[in-house]
Amino acid sequence: LAKTTQPISMDSYEGQEVNITCSHNNIATNDYITWYQQFPSQGPRFIIQGYKTKVTNEVASLFIPADRKSSTLSLPRVSLSDTAVYYCLVGDSNYQLIWGAGTKLIIKP
Amino acid sequence: NAGVTQTPKFQVLKTGQSMTLQCAQDMNHNSMYWYRQDPGMGLRLIYYSASEGTTDKGEVPNGYNVSRLNKREFSLRLESAAPSQTSVYFCASSETLAPPQETQYFGPGTRLLVL
Repeated sequence: LAKTTQPISMDSYEGQEVNITCSHNNIATNDYITWYQQFPSQGPRFIIQGYKTKVTNEVASLFIPADRKSSTLSLPRVSLSDTAVYYCLVGDSNYQLIWGAGTKLIIKP
Repeated sequence: NAGVTQTPKFQVLKTGQSMTLQCAQDMNHNSMYWYRQDPGMGLRLIYYSASEGTTDKGEVPNGYNVSRLNKREFSLRLESAAPSQTSVYFCASSETLAPPQETQYFGPGTRLLVL
């Protein structure tokens, strides 16, 4: 059974780059790795998705090594508004979706 | 487009009471999901519907039932509420069930308190 592991919390400062890593074993060979962001009292919101190597969009980058046993969400030059909980989501070999427990990111001025 | 809507936003129940949480999406998505999120914890899948007419159990289905009323609507029913079901419930939808996984779009959540 697949399992994901993320740090419970992280702190950083405005303007810094933040990297959050998720470890995931036994993920499906043909499925993506997806990251979501959640603000208090809201539902999660899609940030970025990838299969391997590196993916970049307007808000984040996602780094996935060749073995796909982990992924790293990179947020460049964070601001106070990036304070949120970040979740990784993977599909396992039984095609079940496995959510990480979430990483609470606090950005300080 | 409203996206995914949920009603009610907040509900207080007494132990043993029943209620139905409603969810609707206007994105013509095939797949829909019900999750619960307990304080300080991640999302746990209760039930999902890959397509209209099908429903399947997720990680924590006990104490719940679902109905995929049509392509737009997916309801979650608590037949006899228990304090352990106090949680925030999120409905989500995606184009398909995957793999590869499609982006899930979430509603604003329903906060349920069972006394």
